[in-house]
Amino acid sequence: DGGITQSPKYLFRKEGQNVTLSCEQNLNHDAMYWYRQDPGQGLRLIYYSQIVNDFQKGDIAEGYSVSREKKESFPLTVTSAQKNPTAFYLCASSQSAWLGNQPQHFGDGTRLSIL
Amino acid sequence: GQQVMQIPQYQHVQEGEDFTTYCNSSTTLSNIQWYKQRPGGHPVFLIQLVKSGEVKKQKRLTFQFGEAKKNSSLHITATQTTDVGTYFCARGTGKLIFGQGTTLQVKP
Repeated sequence: DGGITQSPKYLFRKEGQNVTLSCEQNLNHDAMYWYRQDPGQGLRLIYYSQIVNDFQKGDIAEGYSVSREKKESFPLTVTSAQKNPTAFYLCASSQSAWLGNQPQHFGDGTRLSIL
Repeated sequence: GQQVMQIPQYQHVQEGEDFTTYCNSSTTLSNIQWYKQRPGGHPVFLIQLVKSGEVKKQKRLTFQFGEAKKNSSLHITATQTTDVGTYFCARGTGKLIFGQGTTLQVKP
């Protein structure tokens, strides 16, 4: 069954700690995205990747880092520089970021909280 | 700029009543996508509109794209409790910009 898998579902971060959120897809999609969602708000783009070994900053990239070494995987690291990391993090993919009009498929999300 | 504004932010309706959410942009949109997020869930793609004046229907849901391609609406006829959730519009190609969403509550 194709889809996007995010893990873990819940994550707690201690002050000064970096944490990594996993996102894996088996949809054979070229493009992958990371969003942050705060309570009662829309989705804000953190980073996106149009192809393996390439990625671009979104609107709120400060305090985050990503890598795209494999087509299937797009992990997000929340660094200690991100002072307000508590949020719901959503990973998504689409067939291509260059072709217009591609719907995005989302994972179930990771809820990150500060201890 | 490239923001999309959604109104209302919240809507409470009695089951069986209709519901409409609006998505507005100050600039022309090449396309608009609509997503639904159930409470505690993730956004799920509903539909995409591309053509000026386009109207598409999915059962009780009617989606419209304005003639000037600067606004869009989602209308639900005779709401049911299963319609509860937040409805987002999103603009862009590849890199999407989401509206803040309209959260629908339905009283049984």
